Amino acid sequence: DTAVSQTPKYLVTQMGNDKSIKCEQNLGHDTMYWYKQDSKKFLKIMFSYNNKELIINETVPNRFSPKSPDKAHLNLHINSLELGDSAVYFCASSLDSEAFFGQGTRLTVV
Amino acid sequence: GQQVMQIPQYQHVQEGEDFTTYCNSSTTLSNIQWYKQRPGGHPVFLIQLVKSGEVKKQKRLTFQFGEAKKNSSLHITATQTTDVGTYFCAANQAGTALIFGKGTTLSVSS
Repeated sequence: DTAVSQTPKYLVTQMGNDKSIKCEQNLGHDTMYWYKQDSKKFLKIMFSYNNKELIINETVPNRFSPKSPDKAHLNLHINSLELGDSAVYFCASSLDSEAFFGQGTRLTVV
Repeated sequence: GQQVMQIPQYQHVQEGEDFTTYCNSSTTLSNIQWYKQRPGGHPVFLIQLVKSGEVKKQKRLTFQFGEAKKNSSLHITATQTTDVGTYFCAANQAGTALIFGKGTTLSVSS
């Protein structure tokens, strides 16, 4: 069983569209994250959720909204996609220390 | 917010040479983690250091945590082509967010 799974793996969409990326973890972890990795490999934290409550919200555009229906899921919804949103988005979860990452979603906005 | 600075950004070595990446923080860290991301893959946890002056080894990899708990290093002895990838340090920010350094991308030629 995959510990942290995110879908889709690839997403190509036009500017202005709205899209969602789903993430699920079966590890029983309390904290889940969304990271954006740009072409220079920088891993920038976007959101952090702990027990369904947002505890860190970095200065990302409000077009990005995390949604957590329960402790095992943290989905990322993006409105009005822009070219600069093209990147790889990683979901991760942790309990106390190490973070487990999903396989990533490569988003391409055209 | 807390930041961890990591250098160098890129490093190319000949197979068999050693490699070191460094991570520095302006504030005292409670712990530091190291991750490896293979090309096209996702970050994978390598190790966590907690104690001042701690040194841990994993085969050819040596991890150190500074006495002041503000810096850390990862040293690879006699690199192999399988060591190729990007190495990240990461630290927990207050509120449990895991903040990553910008990574060091290692390339190895045989």
